[in-house]
Amino acid sequence: EAQVTQNPRYLITVTGKKLTVTCSQNMNHEYMSWYRQDPGLGLRQIYYSMNVEVTDKGDVPEGYKVSRKEKRNFPLILESPSPNQTSLYFCASSLSFTGYYEQYFGPGTRLTVT
Amino acid sequence: QQPVQSPQAVILREGEDAVINCSSSKALYSVHWYRQKHGEAPVFLMILLKGGEQKGHDKISASFNEKKQQSSLYLTASQLSYSGTYFCGTRTGNQFYFGTGTSLTVIP
Repeated sequence: EAQVTQNPRYLITVTGKKLTVTCSQNMNHEYMSWYRQDPGLGLRQIYYSMNVEVTDKGDVPEGYKVSRKEKRNFPLILESPSPNQTSLYFCASSLSFTGYYEQYFGPGTRLTVT
Repeated sequence: QQPVQSPQAVILREGEDAVINCSSSKALYSVHWYRQKHGEAPVFLMILLKGGEQKGHDKISASFNEKKQQSSLYLTASQLSYSGTYFCGTRTGNQFYFGTGTSLTVIP
């Protein structure tokens, strides 16, 4: 089944404790992206990747890191999480980024930083 | 750069129609529409491309006015299953921007 998977689905952590949220897609998609969703703000892009080894900042990259060593995986790293990173996170992928192809979203990761 | 959606929220009775609007301050080459049910991931509905091409949901229609940098989503004869939050999305360079969403509630 074609899908985007994320783990963990729920995470409660403390300020400053490094964490990684994994994202994997099995559709051979080139473009992958991370979004955070906060009430009233919609979905905002954190980082995106056009292809392997090519990543770039989105609209709200502060406090996050990513890597794209393999086409299928695009982990999101919070080196020193803070309470303002409490949010719902979605990973998404699309075949390419021409604007013609839809994005497929993972199920989301709800992160709480205390 | 985030598209602006209107209205922010709408409540409909089953069978009624609704229009959701999306406008951008930047030139648009394509507009995407997604629907998100509570607690779930956004799901693709439609893509509208410059030049008139469309792909996506066969029960939902949409328009794209390139000159006005606007798109509208038309939900006709609404069903209970249409409830959710609708997002438009636009591309600027290699980045993707979603609107803040329109909450649609369909009641019996």
